[in-house]
Amino acid sequence: GAGVSQSPSNKVTEKGKDVELRCDPISGHTALYWYRQSLGQGLEFLIYFQGNSAPDKSGLPSDRFSAERTGGSVSTLTIQRTQQEDSAVYLCASSLGSSHSPLHFGNGTRLTVT
Amino acid sequence: ILNVEQSPQSLHVQEGDSTNFTCSFPSSNFYALHWYRWETAKSPEALFVMTLNGDEKKKGQISATLNTKEGYSYLYIKGSQPEDSATYLCAFIGGSQGNLIFGKGTKLSVKP
Repeated sequence: GAGVSQSPSNKVTEKGKDVELRCDPISGHTALYWYRQSLGQGLEFLIYFQGNSAPDKSGLPSDRFSAERTGGSVSTLTIQRTQQEDSAVYLCASSLGSSHSPLHFGNGTRLTVT
Repeated sequence: ILNVEQSPQSLHVQEGDSTNFTCSFPSSNFYALHWYRWETAKSPEALFVMTLNGDEKKKGQISATLNTKEGYSYLYIKGSQPEDSATYLCAFIGGSQGNLIFGKGTKLSVKP
């Protein structure tokens, strides 16, 4: 079946502009995660959605970052007033939702802020 | 703040060498430990999900062990091949429906 799909695959934007990154999880997966990898760094947790529960937003680095998940499926990560330090690969993953369920990752969106 | 530490940060071995690396995590409130393999220009892929103290899992020439009481897991690769070159990530879950916290990974390079 289809895997996790992310769009766009690449995004170049000017400092100060807003961007939206989209993630289509695997159908039936209740959990959805956003991570980012900055140059030379590991995977940094951003936000986690699990079913109808309130999302865990503890990893969002500033109030310029927000995410929503509509209808328990597609998720959008929005970065307002982008800064150069926001440049990174943004990865989305989904799973069946239990701690025993492996994550299935999308191919990521490479964001470059000029 | 949950800390997941991996060592070494990078490793260079010759084809045919066996190797291992370590993931350290908080020993309290343990639910699961995941291992992922991340090849360049691809997305991370799950290797193992480990939940019980003493667990040992194997996939081909790769195996992993888990010690939840002391908070560590080892990943072993027997007879490394160039195609094993990747970053190996571990991730810890401290709750039944909590998020996964990743370590920074061990980057393995296997020379032919």
